[in-house]
Amino acid sequence: QKEVEQNSGPLSVPEGAIASLNCTYSDRGSQSFFWYRQYSGKSPELIMSIYSNGDKEDGRFTAQLNKASQYVSLLIRDSQPSDSATYLCAVSRYSGGGADGLTFGKGTHLIIQP
Amino acid sequence: NAGVTQTPKFRILKIGQSMTLQCTQDMNHNYMYWYRQDPGMGLKLIYYSVGAGITDKGEVPNGYNVSRSTTEDFPLRLELAAPSQTSVYFCASRGQGESKNIQYFGAGTRLSVL
Repeated sequence: QKEVEQNSGPLSVPEGAIASLNCTYSDRGSQSFFWYRQYSGKSPELIMSIYSNGDKEDGRFTAQLNKASQYVSLLIRDSQPSDSATYLCAVSRYSGGGADGLTFGKGTHLIIQP
Repeated sequence: NAGVTQTPKFRILKIGQSMTLQCTQDMNHNYMYWYRQDPGMGLKLIYYSVGAGITDKGEVPNGYNVSRSTTEDFPLRLELAAPSQTSVYFCASRGQGESKNIQYFGAGTRLSVL
């Protein structure tokens, strides 16, 4: 049984600070890792993908992957009230050729306090 | 470019009724997926398809059926609705060989079974 674990929160962070979101996964064969943002009542929106160990930066977002520890994290710098949402971690066994769906965590509810 | 379109947006069913959730994509994607999301939970894979005429079960297929007669359409059928099927249903797609297993989601169908 593949599992993805996240702290459900809520995680409360002051505006302008760094928000740190964490995720662990059980399937050691996982190859692709994703962070989706989901506003209440809306569909998931991809914000970061990462496939290799280390850091990947995109604007205010940094994804970190450690396959040995089976750990993925998302850092949001200069947090804004518009970042308040639920962040879903998702993993897949495939990096591009496979067809299987994503395994999602339950999500972390992030609140940015003005 | 519409992306992934789901209809209806909302639906209330009585126990035992049947319905079909529609999903269509205009990106010529081979892979399509159906997920369900219960309150406070992550998404769980119901069924997926790798192309017209080919479907396979995901993590929670019981009570559902799918078909894939064209590349564009991937309807999800509920034959005998049960309260346990009250959920938000998301359809997603991705292209074969497209960069790194990224899935694009529709806006969702919110279903209540009473």
